[in-house]
Amino acid sequence: DTEVTQTPKHLVMGMTNKKSLKCEQHMGHRAMYWYKQKAKKPPELMFVYSYEKLSINESVPSRFSPECPNSSLLNLHLHALQPEDSALYLCASSPLRGGQSSYEQYFGPGTRLTVT
Amino acid sequence: AQSVTQPDIHITVSEGASLELRCNYSYGATPYLFWYVQSPGQGLQLLLKYFSGDTLVQGIKGFEAEFKRSQSSFNLRKPSVHWSDAAEYFCAVAIPGGSEKLVFGKGTKLTVNP
Repeated sequence: DTEVTQTPKHLVMGMTNKKSLKCEQHMGHRAMYWYKQKAKKPPELMFVYSYEKLSINESVPSRFSPECPNSSLLNLHLHALQPEDSALYLCASSPLRGGQSSYEQYFGPGTRLTVT
Repeated sequence: AQSVTQPDIHITVSEGASLELRCNYSYGATPYLFWYVQSPGQGLQLLLKYFSGDTLVQGIKGFEAEFKRSQSSFNLRKPSVHWSDAAEYFCAVAIPGGSEKLVFGKGTKLTVNP
C-alpha cells in the first residue's frame, strides 16, 4: 500500500461546529504532517509528528488540534473555525531513516474545507 | 535569507513541445531538492528528488531534473509534453540534518495547448 488517504474529501462546517479530519497511511512511515493550502499558493506546514510525538507546531491557532493516536493515523480536530480557515488541508507522511527525516514526503489528496 | 524561487508563475506550451521549469534556491549549503506536481483539487505527487551524486535525476512520468551547483538551480525538464501534464509544479528544498520542514517555491502553473 503506497497511499496516503484522507477523509472526508469535502467538509462544510459552521463557525460553531466541531469536526475532525482523518489521515491514514500503511507504508510504515513514522513522520506525519498537516499542511494548509490556499488557492494558488504552496502548502504551508502546520504540524509534524515524529514517532507519534508532536515535533513541530508552526504557531497554529489553538482552534486546530492535531492528534496522532498510532503510527498509521493522524487526525486534525477543528473547533470554532473562521471563514479564513477555508482551504485544502493536506496530510503527508515520510519515512524516518535511523531516526532522522528522509525528507521525502508523500501526500494525500486533501480535504477541501469550507467554513461558513 | 533562505529561499526557493520559481521565476515563472505561468507557462504555456503546445502538446508535444519540450518543457523546462526553473527553480533556484538560496542556501548556505547544498540542500536536498524535490519537484512535486499538483493537479487541480488534488494532493501533491513527488516527481523526483536529488540528494547527492549524479546531477541529472530521472523521475516519474518522463520528467528529469538537473542540479547545477554553480547556478543554485534545479530545473525540471520533459522532452515532449502531454495534455495530462497540465498542472501546478512546485520545487521544494530541505536542509540536510535540519528539521523535517520542506520549503516550497510559489509554484509554476503549466497550461498545455492542443
